[in-house]
Amino acid sequence: LAKTTQPISMDSYEGQEVNITCSHNNIATNDYITWYQQFPSQGPRFIIQGYKTKVTNEVASLFIPADRKSSTLSLPRVSLSDTAVYYCLVGTDSWGKLQFGAGTQVVVTP
Amino acid sequence: DADVTQTPRNRITKTGKRIMLECSQTKGHDRMYWYRQDPGLGLRLIYYSFDVKDINKGEISDGYSVSRQAQAKFSLSLESAIPNQTALYFCATSGESEKLFFGSGTQLSVL
Repeated sequence: LAKTTQPISMDSYEGQEVNITCSHNNIATNDYITWYQQFPSQGPRFIIQGYKTKVTNEVASLFIPADRKSSTLSLPRVSLSDTAVYYCLVGTDSWGKLQFGAGTQVVVTP
Repeated sequence: DADVTQTPRNRITKTGKRIMLECSQTKGHDRMYWYRQDPGLGLRLIYYSFDVKDINKGEISDGYSVSRQAQAKFSLSLESAIPNQTALYFCATSGESEKLFFGSGTQLSVL
């Protein structure tokens, strides 16, 4: 299972872009990178998934360099409602189950 | 209606009681999971099931059991509840990709 490392917390102001980088040095060839968002007392919600280069959807962008040893989730022009914990998951272990790390707490202030 | 429904939303019980948390899904997914979340921590996997006949222990299965009654239903039981099982419990489902769909959670308090 590819171990992931991401910052514990990040602070931002409304309207700014937030970039969260996740390190996954042991990523396997067939592993995908998936990001989730979790609000207090709610289940995590899928944000974006990618394998290489760049993926963009209506919520975020995911940048993955050629060596795939890291990835960066980019949240454009954040608002107060983007205050949440963001989890980076990479691949699955040999049983195909998914494990979450501690995530990154993003706090957006006015 | 929610794709993944957990009942109850909140439960208070006493030490030593047996309780069951239920999860049902309308996604048509084969894979279902039970996670536990403690304050300030990430989610830890308790049990998972890849189809009706498949049950697997996760990283913290001691003190828990599960039943996969049908493709759509996956229940979690605490055989004899203890206070350190007080936590927020989530059920999730997934298809072939690593895209999980979570329920709204069950807040369990063991007194």
